[in-house]
Amino acid sequence: KQEVTQIPAALSVPEGENLVLNCSFTDSAIYNLQWFRQDPGKGLTSLLLIQSSQREQTSGRLNASLDKSSGRSTLYIAASQPGDSATYLCAVKGNTPLVFGKGTRLSVIA
Amino acid sequence: NAGVTQTPKFQVLKTGQSMTLQCAQDMNHEYMSWYRQDPGMGLRLIHYSVGAGITDQGEVPNGYNVSRSTTEDFPLRLLSAAPSQTSVYFCASSSAGGGTDTQYFGPGTRLTVL
Repeated sequence: KQEVTQIPAALSVPEGENLVLNCSFTDSAIYNLQWFRQDPGKGLTSLLLIQSSQREQTSGRLNASLDKSSGRSTLYIAASQPGDSATYLCAVKGNTPLVFGKGTRLSVIA
Repeated sequence: NAGVTQTPKFQVLKTGQSMTLQCAQDMNHEYMSWYRQDPGMGLRLIHYSVGAGITDQGEVPNGYNVSRSTTEDFPLRLLSAAPSQTSVYFCASSSAGGGTDTQYFGPGTRLTVL
C-alpha cells in the first residue's frame, strides 16, 4: 500500500528566504507526482505535476524535483513571500487515484 | 468554464439522517473521485469513477454510496449519517488515468453530524 510522508509538518520562515519542502513515498511504481496548495478553508490548487519519466518541473518561483528510484520529491520555493503562506500537499498517482501526504503548513513572516 | 462545483458548501445533519453531496464538472473528464479531509489524517479516498457507469471503492468507503450515470455528475450519498462522518469532503476530476492528468478539486463541502 502506497504511503506518502511529508516533512516537516510545519515551517515558519522570514520573508525572502528560499525553502525546501520534502515528500517521500514507499512504492516507486507511480505515474506522476503532484504538488498542491491549500489555503485555510479552501480547496486544493494544483501547483506542479511531474510525470514519472521527468526529473523536475518549474513554475515561476517554484521548482519540484522527483527521484522515483529513491521515492523522494522536493518542492523548492525561491524568495518566499507572505502570500506563499498555506499548506502544501504532495500526492502520488499509481494504479488508483491520488494518495496524499498530510501536508506541510508554511508560514512566511513579513 | 466553472471547473468542479460542489453543493452544498456547508451542511449540518443529525445522526441517522441521509443526504447527497453533489459534484459536477464541465471539463468532460472521465475520472472523478471523492475524498474526505480530517485533521491529522490528510485526504483519504472514499470512492472513485473511471467513467460513466463505473465506480470503485477507495480507502474509506463504508457508509457512503456513489453512482455515475453521466460524465458530468458524481454524487456522494450518506445513507445514515454518523458523527464519525463529520469532515470536509472534496470532489476531484481529471481527464485520464495516465501520467499527464492534473487533478482539479472542488471547493469542498463542510459536513457536521450531531
